[in-house]
Amino acid sequence: KAGVTQTPRYLIKTRGQQVTLSCSPISGHRSVSWYQQTPGQGLQFLFEYFSETQRNKGNFPGRFSGRQFSNSRSEMNVSTLELGDSALYLCASSPKTGDEAFFGQGTRLTVV
Amino acid sequence: GEDVEQSLFLSVREGDSSVINCTYTDSSSTYLYWYKQEPGAGLQLLTYIFSNMDMKQDQRLTVLLNKKDKHLSLRIADTQTGDSAIYFCAESVLGNTPLVFGKGTRLSVIA
Repeated sequence: KAGVTQTPRYLIKTRGQQVTLSCSPISGHRSVSWYQQTPGQGLQFLFEYFSETQRNKGNFPGRFSGRQFSNSRSEMNVSTLELGDSALYLCASSPKTGDEAFFGQGTRLTVV
Repeated sequence: GEDVEQSLFLSVREGDSSVINCTYTDSSSTYLYWYKQEPGAGLQLLTYIFSNMDMKQDQRLTVLLNKKDKHLSLRIADTQTGDSAIYFCAESVLGNTPLVFGKGTRLSVIA
């Protein structure tokens, strides 16, 4: 069974631009969560989607948004990028909310 | 609120046992997880324990849970160089993500 797939793996963007990251969950998993990992703040929860609905949201500004499609694939978008948005963005999928989460390899975003 | 604490570094010799400790604060936590992260990679789920259990063993891994002290530990028997990584403890309330992670413990295995 294929694992969680995140694309792209690496991304370099300029301040002020926007970016879209993609996550394909494990087949049959309907819950997708996103986390930001930085050396200073560690792993922080961004949001969780289940059946195309946002179930939980972390404490991030409105520049961070996401969505989930009918096939459970999810995207997250960051607008007006700031240097501090440079991080590893990790996606995790679960069969349903509250089940154990399986993570993808992450997308490393660098904002210059 | 939820908070998970871990020591930042641990160094052990190859073949010894490693014990990584974690404390959590949420008294309603139902799932407690251990994840492993190797350089440049995502998080690999190693094992998890329900809060109504005291111990769980899976091959070289043993998880111990002390609910009274809100203390969780991960023991790796016969530690190998391939076990060098960052280990994250995480807690989650049943039916209510998100996972709350500790800062991670960097395990270095000396040959």
